Amino acid sequence: TQLLEQSPQFLSIQEGENLTVYCNSSSVFSSLQWYRQEPGEGPVLLVTVVTGGEVKKLKRLTFQFGDARKDSSLHITAAQTGDTGLYLCAGVTSGTYKYIFGTGTRLKVLA
Amino acid sequence: ETGVTQTPRHLVMGMTNKKSLKCEQHLGHNAMYWYKQSAKKPLELMFVYSLEERVENNSVPSRFSPECPNSSHLFLHLHTLQPEDSALYLCASSPRGTSAYTTSYNEQFFGPGTRLTVL
Repeated sequence: TQLLEQSPQFLSIQEGENLTVYCNSSSVFSSLQWYRQEPGEGPVLLVTVVTGGEVKKLKRLTFQFGDARKDSSLHITAAQTGDTGLYLCAGVTSGTYKYIFGTGTRLKVLA
Repeated sequence: ETGVTQTPRHLVMGMTNKKSLKCEQHLGHNAMYWYKQSAKKPLELMFVYSLEERVENNSVPSRFSPECPNSSHLFLHLHTLQPEDSALYLCASSPRGTSAYTTSYNEQFFGPGTRLTVL
């Protein structure tokens, strides 16, 4: 069974701090997405990474796809309370074409 | 209306009731999905419809019955549910389908979900 493990599972930080969330698998992914889900809502797509080693920036968020396309990271600079939510990675495994979601990282940014 | 909408947003039902969840996408997408989100578990894919055909059913109990009358609408019919079925049910759509013959990446657009409580 393919699995996307995210770490940490929970993270509580002060506003202004930096943080990194990781998404790891033993499988190769043809692409990977990051989503943010706020309480009472569905996940919202943040970014897609496709190429090994790719780095994408979305304002204070930096996304990186591992060279081997088995892992990804999300770095948030100077976190704000509005960054609070559940962060999910998801992707399609090469060969199986199955779309699976990661275990999630629940982030709370305190004012 | 834009994006993906779901109704109702909240539903409380007894174990003997029959109810239906509705999802509508206004994005012109070809694929639609039902997911179950429980506390402390990853999002679980339940059903996938691509161009109105069911292409995936991930061992979901028969008390959940999906229906996709056209590419914009998706229903989940519920009957004789159990308390452990209480969860957030999310509908999503994507531009492409998910068969082995489609391109590799598959960004999904989610509705706000239906919070289901089974008493």
